[in-house]
Amino acid sequence: EVQLVESGGGLVQPGGSLRLSCTASGFTFFSYEMNWVRQAPGKGLEWLSYISSSGSTIHYADSVKGRFTISRDNAKNTLFLQMNSLRAEDTAVYYCARDTPAAGNQFDYWGQGALVAVSS
Amino acid sequence: QSALTQPASVSGSPGQSITISCTGTSSDVGGYNYVSWYQQHPGKAPKLMIYDVSNRPSGVSNRFSGSKSGNTASLAISGLQAEDEADYYCSSYTSSTTPGVVFGGGTKLTVL
Repeated sequence: EVQLVESGGGLVQPGGSLRLSCTASGFTFFSYEMNWVRQAPGKGLEWLSYISSSGSTIHYADSVKGRFTISRDNAKNTLFLQMNSLRAEDTAVYYCARDTPAAGNQFDYWGQGALVAVSS
Repeated sequence: QSALTQPASVSGSPGQSITISCTGTSSDVGGYNYVSWYQQHPGKAPKLMIYDVSNRPSGVSNRFSGSKSGNTASLAISGLQAEDEADYYCSSYTSSTTPGVVFGGGTKLTVL
């Protein structure tokens, strides 16, 4: 069974940093492209970042470019999101999501989400 | 990246059919067949319902179907059931500024 489990969320002050992890199981993690998507309270979904299976290709949404860094450790079946210079508007549930084997950044499995709250 | 445009809400009675539209541009919906639809119940993670415009993942009911014409994609649900009540989001690959994904604002489906 495919499972994605996020961890590392919590309360952080504005300007602070946080690192999210997403531990994968039930599939060959190193073969799949991965993404981070977030959802602010009561709002819609927002794609944040993509990383290829090898980690050689990375893309970011404009809203987080320069502040967030996606990475992966294929030996540990883990995806990461390093979040720096956090703002109140970054408060959201953060999901990791697996790309379908088909192309085009479509997400067939999602984690349960990790809540990040940015507040003083 | 600008969000795709979806109606804020739609409703229908059990057994009826509804359609949710998703309008983008030639840089996303109109330019690629990488449109997908997600169902999200309150407090839950999104679930993939349609990918590549009209393909259903294994296990998704054939009451759900997708299509596209020009810059507008659509999700149709036939034989509405109470458990279909949820938020629905479309998404598309986009090449507008940086390669990535753009989502619609979401549509709340109410089963009357």
